[in-house]
Amino acid sequence: GAVVSQHPSRVICKSGTSVKIECRSLDFQATTMFWYRQFPKKSLMLMATSNEGSKATYEQGVEKDKFLINHASLTLSTLTVTSAHPEDSSFYICSVPSGGDDAETQYFGPGTRLLVL
Amino acid sequence: GNSVTQMEGPVTLSEEAFLTINCTYTATGYPSLFWYVQYPGEGLQLLLKATKADDKGSNKGFEATYRKETTSFHLEKGSVQVSDSAVYFCAFHPGNMLTFGGGTRLMVKP
Repeated sequence: GAVVSQHPSRVICKSGTSVKIECRSLDFQATTMFWYRQFPKKSLMLMATSNEGSKATYEQGVEKDKFLINHASLTLSTLTVTSAHPEDSSFYICSVPSGGDDAETQYFGPGTRLLVL
Repeated sequence: GNSVTQMEGPVTLSEEAFLTINCTYTATGYPSLFWYVQYPGEGLQLLLKATKADDKGSNKGFEATYRKETTSFHLEKGSVQVSDSAVYFCAFHPGNMLTFGGGTRLMVKP
């Protein structure tokens, strides 16, 4: 199956700074990637759909100016948390749909744990 | 609206015990159903899936049957191992994105 990587795996930053998280599809090209947020002991919440060559699609309630998404290439999407605050501390996960006849299955990255002090 | 409900954990079992994690969904139509597993420190992995009514998904000793009548997709395993300790997520695909249940943490003790 596909391998999806994320970098960094863990980041601690000061309040007010910006943090960039990378998501890479290592096995195949992806025109679409998904970004999720997972709160402690909670399920994954879809934040946005990253689209190569066009603007990301954000879910209701997600601030697009706060969470900047750039789908730079067919193998790379980045999520930048701008002016981070402690309430942004969370586990951020990206995924890549498998495509083809099995488009509903997604391959997930290992996640990035963000802690904002 | 579309939603997935799964039993809250944690579920604590002894090794070789029988496991059931309940999952029910609310959706229009008949979406594909999934179970994903998240091992400690790792990302989610697809465990099994079923795409239509009465289909049975199976993998690594786990099984789940797509029950249209009860809108359920319960996860079962006959004999759990310590290595099965993880968080299990029921999910479905009602449109163009996955919708997840709240997750159930399973702890298996030797």
